[in-house]
Amino acid sequence: QVQLQESGPGLVEPSQTLSLTCSVSGASVRSGGFYWTWVRQLPGGGLEWIGYIYTSGAAYYNPFLKTPISISLDTSENRFSLSLSSVTVADSAVYYCARAPDGNSNWLDSWGQGILVAVTS
Amino acid sequence: DVQMTQSPPSLSASVGDSVSITCQASQDIRHYLSWYQQKPGKAPKLLIFDAATLAAGVPSRFSGRGSATHFTFTISSLQPEDFATYFCQHYLNLPLTFGGGTTVEI
Repeated sequence: QVQLQESGPGLVEPSQTLSLTCSVSGASVRSGGFYWTWVRQLPGGGLEWIGYIYTSGAAYYNPFLKTPISISLDTSENRFSLSLSSVTVADSAVYYCARAPDGNSNWLDSWGQGILVAVTS
Repeated sequence: DVQMTQSPPSLSASVGDSVSITCQASQDIRHYLSWYQQKPGKAPKLLIFDAATLAAGVPSRFSGRGSATHFTFTISSLQPEDFATYFCQHYLNLPLTFGGGTTVEI
């Protein structure tokens, strides 16, 4: 059974870069068949898809998010990472990593427990 | 992008009741819709994909139906553990988007 676990800082200052990592167990990010995904939940409760990355390294991002985004894969450590640069208070959220099957099957079948990130000076 | 409008935002019900939640898509998304349950302080959990297919281990009192732009999620006999917030999500194309959520309260 796949398990995902987010890690990273709980506090980030405005204009700095937020970096989070998702460690995966029970599955290999090297294997095909899945997109490794980041989703965030804003303080009001709404869910936002941030982006995802495939085994090939091809990454896809939400074009409606104003913050510059980068998602990368580390196959040697079986994990993937999210980087948001020049963050603002609006980027404060609970960040989840998740897994989505590929093809026309992008539901999110496994989730990490989430990590609360506050952007504050 | 595809907008997902979920209703109602909240509802009150009792154990044993049948409740339904609707999700409307801003364009035809065929059957590319999933439903999630989220309890306070926890991650969302996948319940249904492809509009009507139960995820592994999900009780049969949960069901989904619909296609194109109109979808319904039903809990046939509410159990105490079902009081939670429910979200829909489309996956026709990118960006993936979610409905605003429905909180089922006692």
